Amino acid sequence: AQTVTQSQPEMSVQEAETVTLSCTYDTSESDYYLFWYKQPPSRQMILVIRQEAYKQQNATENRFSVNFQKAAKSFSLKISDSQLGDAAMYFCAYRSTLSGNTPLVFGKGTRLSVIA
Amino acid sequence: GAVVSQHPSRVICKSGTSVKIECRSLDFQATTMFWYRQFPKQSLMLMATSNEGSKATYEQGVEKDKFLINHASLTLSTLTVTSAHPEDSSFYICRCGLAGARGYFGPGTRLTVL
Repeated sequence: AQTVTQSQPEMSVQEAETVTLSCTYDTSESDYYLFWYKQPPSRQMILVIRQEAYKQQNATENRFSVNFQKAAKSFSLKISDSQLGDAAMYFCAYRSTLSGNTPLVFGKGTRLSVIA
Repeated sequence: GAVVSQHPSRVICKSGTSVKIECRSLDFQATTMFWYRQFPKQSLMLMATSNEGSKATYEQGVEKDKFLINHASLTLSTLTVTSAHPEDSSFYICRCGLAGARGYFGPGTRLTVL
């Protein structure tokens, strides 16, 4: 079974600075999807960024980018120019592509605080 | 973008009662729906996967007779917590799956069992 590990329970960053959240995963599959989700206090899950494993190019979405290292099974999220609204729980997730519509497997999350 | 609703958003019930939570995809058809549970300060844990018209597949440790899932149509799945107890108090979230990597979460339902 696949596992996702987020080793940083909490992180903090000064407003306008850059922060990187770590995520590693374990799988024997060669093709899969990786995600970062944001969960603010409302608890609505918000997709931040998605990466297909077959793509070597790192995904980017405005201030959010990933460093995808397939061989190392690492998928870190970089948030640039941090804003107060970025404060939330961030979950890394894995999804298999092997068969049908498969569920997301989540890490334990990292709580990000943004300091004004 | 695609919208998923959950009803109710919050429910408080007495121990021993049953609670039904609805998950609807409002502007698309979802062949697969996933139900997750999230305890305070913890991550999302998959409870079950349901495909329209067939029985749900439950994760190990999740009692299928306690957490009844019905996926009667491509836009509606329901989770019924039967004979709820305080330890069932949690945040329940559905996710509607689409082809490829796409999928959308509902806003969640906070269940409190007294």
